[in-house]
Amino acid sequence: QMQLVQSGPEVKKPGTSVKVSCKTSGFTFTNSAMQWVRQARGQRLEWIGWIVVGSGNTNYAQKFQKRVTITRDMSTSTAYMELSSLRYEDTAVYYCAADDMTTVSWGQGTLVTVSS
Amino acid sequence: QLVLTQSPSASAFLGASVKLTCSLSSGHSSYAIAWHQQQPERGPRYLMKVNSDGSHSKGDGIPDRFSGSSSGAERYLTISSLQSEDEADYYCQTWGTGIRVFGGGTKLTVL
Repeated sequence: QMQLVQSGPEVKKPGTSVKVSCKTSGFTFTNSAMQWVRQARGQRLEWIGWIVVGSGNTNYAQKFQKRVTITRDMSTSTAYMELSSLRYEDTAVYYCAADDMTTVSWGQGTLVTVSS
Repeated sequence: QLVLTQSPSASAFLGASVKLTCSLSSGHSSYAIAWHQQQPERGPRYLMKVNSDGSHSKGDGIPDRFSGSSSGAERYLTISSLQSEDEADYYCQTWGTGIRVFGGGTKLTVL
């Protein structure tokens, strides 16, 4: 069974960066794609980007293109999402989701709070 | 431009059925979509993928009460025998060349 465990909550100052991890198990990480999604309180899901794990190819939503980097570590079956130049409006719960072409599984979410 | 449109809200009575709609933008009527459920104060959960021919494949443990279908550029999620725990936000998602897009979500109220 696919399992995704994300890193804990973060509090960051404006202008700094945050890196959220997503450790996976229960499926073949190499044969999956990992997407990152965020949700501000009371708002809709917003797609950030994704990585095809096997090739390492990434694609990002235009809104985040200049500030986000998604990577993966095949040795630990872990995906990462780093967001830089943080703003107050980046305060949200960040989710990872794994897609192995048969099903999708979501992480539990990581609250990132941007506060001075 | 790849866009998914959902009604902001829907409601139905306990035990009844409801059909939620996700509309694909012009030129994208052949695209498959995925449905995700988000119960209050919880993370999203994958329900199923719905193809343009109406076939669908559900995630692990998703009850038979949930089914998917298609007609043209519309993708549907039907929930029968509504239960109180079905009250949630439902999001559709699709994927194009390198990108993925969410609809705005439909808030389902079970009366």
